[in-house]
Amino acid sequence: KAGVTQTPRYLIKTRGQQVTLSCSPISGHRSVSWYQQTPGQGLQFLFEYFSETQRNKGNFPGRFSGRQFSNSRSEMNVSTLELGDSALYLCASSFDRDEQFFGPGTRLTVL
Amino acid sequence: AQSVTQPDIHITVSEGASLELRCNYSYGATPYLFWYVQSPGQGLQLLLKYFSGDTLVQGIKGFEAEFKRSQSSFNLRKPSVHWSDAAEYFCAVVPRSNYQLIWGAGTKLIIKP
Repeated sequence: KAGVTQTPRYLIKTRGQQVTLSCSPISGHRSVSWYQQTPGQGLQFLFEYFSETQRNKGNFPGRFSGRQFSNSRSEMNVSTLELGDSALYLCASSFDRDEQFFGPGTRLTVL
Repeated sequence: AQSVTQPDIHITVSEGASLELRCNYSYGATPYLFWYVQSPGQGLQLLLKYFSGDTLVQGIKGFEAEFKRSQSSFNLRKPSVHWSDAAEYFCAVVPRSNYQLIWGAGTKLIIKP
């Protein structure tokens, strides 16, 4: 069974731009969660989607948004990028609030 | 507020020695408990989890963890570490009310040859 895939793996953007990251969950998994990992703040929960609906949301500004498609694939978008948005963005999938399987992450660098 | 504490930022252990990584949580009810491992440049891999039942949990790669309700702890152990165990280890808890993973700061494990 293929694991969680995230694209792209690496991304370089400049301040003020926007970015879209993609996550394909394990086949059959309906829940997708997103996390931000930085050296200073560690791992922080962004949001969770289940059956195309946002089910849970962390404490991030509205510049961070996401969506989930009918095939459970998910995207997250960050608008008006700031230097502090540089991070590893991790996606995790699960069948439904059980064990989460993580992708390799997307490394975003904001210049 | 709910929180997870991993008091050791770095731990250095000789290859073949035993290992214990500490994790304490602050939460009213017993949450779900997890240990994950992250190798450099990689995503997170689940080592083991505790939902209910036996408080001693066996995981992959020879790791185990013991849930102690009275101490709000979920410490990770391995009897004999291998050089390939060098990585960062994260403890996480999930309140049963909202299933939002709350992470510890991580412990970086360094293996001495």
